[in-house]
Amino acid sequence: GQQVMQIPQYQHVQEGEDFTTYCNSSTTLSNIQWYKQRPGGHPVFLIQLVKSGEVKKQKRLTFQFGEAKKNSSLHITATQTTDVGTYFCAGYNAGNMLTFGGGTRLMVKP
Amino acid sequence: DADVTQTPRNRITKTGKRIMLECSQTKGHDRMYWYRQDPGLGLQLIYYSFDVKDINKGEISDGYSVSRQAQAKFSLSLESAIPNQTALYFCATSDGSGGITDTQYFGPGTRLTVL
Repeated sequence: GQQVMQIPQYQHVQEGEDFTTYCNSSTTLSNIQWYKQRPGGHPVFLIQLVKSGEVKKQKRLTFQFGEAKKNSSLHITATQTTDVGTYFCAGYNAGNMLTFGGGTRLMVKP
Repeated sequence: DADVTQTPRNRITKTGKRIMLECSQTKGHDRMYWYRQDPGLGLQLIYYSFDVKDINKGEISDGYSVSRQAQAKFSLSLESAIPNQTALYFCATSDGSGGITDTQYFGPGTRLTVL
């Protein structure tokens, strides 16, 4: 079945440093979604990318969807303590089921 | 999201006990899901339901069963709990209108410990 892998699993950064998490699928995705889970919280939808090569920005967050629609990345510029949490990518495959990656846990040192 | 509620929020039980986790939603969504989250792992789909008469197995359905009592209610049961079912369980909903662009709305989670 479809597998969605994320790296790194954990990332410690100093506040103000940049952060990137990468998402790779074993199969071509119809789209990619990103969710954020704060410590002790539940996943919350951030954004969705549908088109090959698409790039979207939300303030300091930049999301990219690969040309082959098999990979994606989330880049945070100048991290803040409010960015702490686990970031998940999730993709729909041809079977129309959403498969989540393992997540990247971001820790920010003030 | 307060529109999706889960009960109980925390539960400690013993091996062999039957456990039911409940999920209710006021979002009016047709689609409901149960996920399991283990430390360091992502969200694994247990069961999903696209309407009241539709129940489907997910990736890890063994040892679990579900009941869709109404559009707004979706329950997950562990018939005979075992320690490796200790995890955080999330219920989620989506409205289904977006098809492959559906986004999911998660409940607050139930932390289950099986001793």
